[in-house]
Parts: sequence; structure tokens; C-alpha cells
Amino acid sequence: GAVVSQHPSRVICKSGTSVKIECRSLDFQATTMFWYRQFPKQSLMLMATSNEGSKATYEQGVEKDKFLINHASLTLSTLTVTSAHPEDSSFYICSALEGGGYEQYFGPGTRLTVT
Amino acid sequence: GENVEQHPSTLSVQEGDSAVIKCTYSDSASNYFPWYKQELGKGPQLIIDIRSNVGEKKDQRIAVTLNKTAKHFSLHITETQPEDSAVYFCAASKGQGAQKLVFGQGTRLTINP
Repeated sequence: GAVVSQHPSRVICKSGTSVKIECRSLDFQATTMFWYRQFPKQSLMLMATSNEGSKATYEQGVEKDKFLINHASLTLSTLTVTSAHPEDSSFYICSALEGGGYEQYFGPGTRLTVT
Repeated sequence: GENVEQHPSTLSVQEGDSAVIKCTYSDSASNYFPWYKQELGKGPQLIIDIRSNVGEKKDQRIAVTLNKTAKHFSLHITETQPEDSAVYFCAASKGQGAQKLVFGQGTRLTINP
């Protein structure tokens, strides 16, 4: 089956610094990737949709200048959390869509802790 | 926009019994309904999905039913096993391409040995 990886799996950073999370589709080309955030014991909330070679589309309430998304190739999308604060601590999960398919393939998630 | 409601939030069943989780959706244009299993500290894993042109789909011990008229769909797990313990999420989308998924609130399923 299709595999999506994320790196790092967990990261701890200090308040005010920036953190980059990578999402890779390992065995397929992903025309669209999605970024989700999940707080403890809550559901997944979509942050943004990114299409290869174009600007990401952010969900209402998500600050695009704080959460920078780059989808530079068909196998890689990155999420950069800029000027991180403790309230940004969360589980960040990406998913990837192959072509015009239905199924989103999810990565294993990245646990971000901001101290 | 689409809204997906999921019930119950927690469910505890004896090993070997069946478990049923229900979801309702609001947007009649939604036509793809996946179910995900999420274990602690991991990403969601697709366990079964159904499209709106089908009323029921089964894969071994797991089945999903869809009632388009009532706008609800359900996950059925039979002969439950301890490894079925996890959080389950339903979702809905408008189908192919870059259509975003809207998730339900999740159900924490516990299988008691």
C-alpha cells in the first residue's frame, strides 16, 4: 500500500523559534497533501490543503504567516511553524492524495512540544 | 459547510461481542465516507470506506452501512478482539480529487478481555 512518512516524529523547541516538519510520499506521487492538527483527545482538524507547485489553501482561522506550507515536489510537502509558542504544541499529521483518487494516505504524525 | 457528528464518544464491549459506531453528516453532496482507526501516538489508518453508490460494504469482521436518505453511516465490528481497542473516526468528503475530509469527533473503543 501507499506509504507516507513524516520527519521528525517528535520535536521539542523553545518558544519563539521555528520548526519544520516534512511529509513525504514514498511510493507514489502526491498531487495534493493535507496538513492536520490534533490536540489531545480531540479529532483531526484540517489546517491547509497544498497542491504541488501552487500556494496552499488555509482553513478559516489558521494563520498562513505562522504555518508556512511548501509543496515543492510531488513527493514532499513541508510545514514550518514560525515563532512557535506553547499553544502550538500539538500532534501534526499530514496526508497525501494520489492523482484524482478518493483515499488519503496518512503519515505517522509529528509531536511538537514548545517549551 | 459539512458537519459530521459521531456517537458514542466512548464504547466498552466484551471481547467477542459486536461494536457499532454511528455518524451523521449534513451535506447531501458528500459521497465518500471512510473510517479510520487511530492508535495512541500514531496517524490514522484507513480500515474501510464506502461511496454513496453503495449501501453496504464488508471486509472480514468490519462492515460499513450507508443510508443516504437519512444521511448517516455506521461502522460494525464483529467478534471483537483486544487489538481492536483504539480511537475510531468517521469522515465525509465530496469524493475524488482534492476534496477535504471532515472528521467526526471520534469514539474510544475498549475491548474488555
